[in-house]
Amino acid sequence: NAGVTQTPKFRVLKTGQSMTLLCAQDMNHEYMYWYRQDPGMGLRLIHYSVGEGTTAKGEVPDGYNVSRLKKQNFLLGLESAAPSQTSVYFCASSSRGEKLFFGSGTQLSVL
Amino acid sequence: GQQLNQSPQSMFIQEGEDVSMNCTSSSIFNTWLWYKQDPGEGPVLLIALYKAGELTSNGRLTAQFGTTRKDSFLNISASIPSDVGIYFCAGQLYKAAGNKLTFGGGTRVLVKP
Repeated sequence: NAGVTQTPKFRVLKTGQSMTLLCAQDMNHEYMYWYRQDPGMGLRLIHYSVGEGTTAKGEVPDGYNVSRLKKQNFLLGLESAAPSQTSVYFCASSSRGEKLFFGSGTQLSVL
Repeated sequence: GQQLNQSPQSMFIQEGEDVSMNCTSSSIFNTWLWYKQDPGEGPVLLIALYKAGELTSNGRLTAQFGTTRKDSFLNISASIPSDVGIYFCAGQLYKAAGNKLTFGGGTRVLVKP
């Protein structure tokens, strides 16, 4: 009964460091998404994937990269972290697009 | 950038009260959705609306797809403490690339002290 699992739950980085967030879903969903949540700004789409091996840019893609080598996994990478990337990151998956299943989030602080 | 405006940004509820919130857009959407986020968790879908004028309920929650297709409304009747959280509206365009959703900034619901 896992659904969408995100790791890690918390992370602190220094400016310039790199890291990868992992998202795994066990519902055989085609669509996967990475969002960031900032106070008062709702959820903004970073990147998304419509199937294994595909990725596309969302609303705020700069500074992030993604990969979807396996259908169940969607990785979000930060190559050189900046304080502006301090946020809560959510992964979501969907079979059709409107009913998104979200993970419980990763709280990232960049000092 | 963000296209959906939610109001109010925050509200206090007292147990038993009915509360309302709304979402407006400069664009027409074909699907409107309402999600709720509990503290420390990801959002969960509450209600999906597919036709202009549609009124749909889910327990004590009722949502409406505005007739102009540029707005939507959510009502919570007889509020209880577990209604606390952030409520997000989201819109989806017909055949949007990747079936992407656009989210509003959220309405934070708090309990009156």
